[in-house]
Amino acid sequence: GAVVSQHPSRVICKSGTSVKIECRSLDFQATTMFWYRQFPKKSLMLMATSNEGSKATYEQGVEKDKFLINHASLTLSTLTVTSAHPEDSSFYICSARGTGYQETQYFGPGTRLLVL
Amino acid sequence: GENVEQHPSTLSVQEGDSAVIKCTYSDSASNYFPWYKQELGKGPQLIIDIRSNVGEKKDQRIAVTLNKTAKHFSLHITETQPEDSAVYFCAAGTVFNKFYFGSGTKLNVKP
Repeated sequence: GAVVSQHPSRVICKSGTSVKIECRSLDFQATTMFWYRQFPKKSLMLMATSNEGSKATYEQGVEKDKFLINHASLTLSTLTVTSAHPEDSSFYICSARGTGYQETQYFGPGTRLLVL
Repeated sequence: GENVEQHPSTLSVQEGDSAVIKCTYSDSASNYFPWYKQELGKGPQLIIDIRSNVGEKKDQRIAVTLNKTAKHFSLHITETQPEDSAVYFCAAGTVFNKFYFGSGTKLNVKP
């Protein structure tokens, strides 16, 4: 149980385009989802927290107009990187927490984004 | 806010030996401490967790200890195997709140 998927696993896009990453909880309802960014050989940096049906809460320094987060259902959250630039290239990981797992976050496999 | 420090940053052990990774936290309100294993190119996987009302928890070759007074917790892996090689992250947090992650420990188990 507690499986989280992400799609796509990797994406290459041109500078200036937008990219959408999906995060799904496959076997539980995720009341809260988190989006992280990870640079090579570094720890996870929390970007935002999203609760189903409400606006995401962004961490300090994260541009909410650039990283659009939508948590439209209890099993799906999306992160859209708008007008992507090469410096947005990174490993993006989501995690989900459900009512049956009040404290634990289960992570997706991550999405590698490369902006050319 | 919470500050989690993790040591060592790299750890190399011989297969069969034990490995210990240590973390400290600063916020006494933190009451939940998970450990994650991350393999190259993959997302972190929960391997064990402990709550503040427990001092120790064990799951086969993996154990975690928590000292609330000193605000530190440790991961112990016994009888290490090459497949234990990965990056390990500790985290601290509270119920229904976000986690604060340590900087990670790269564990290398030499055959």
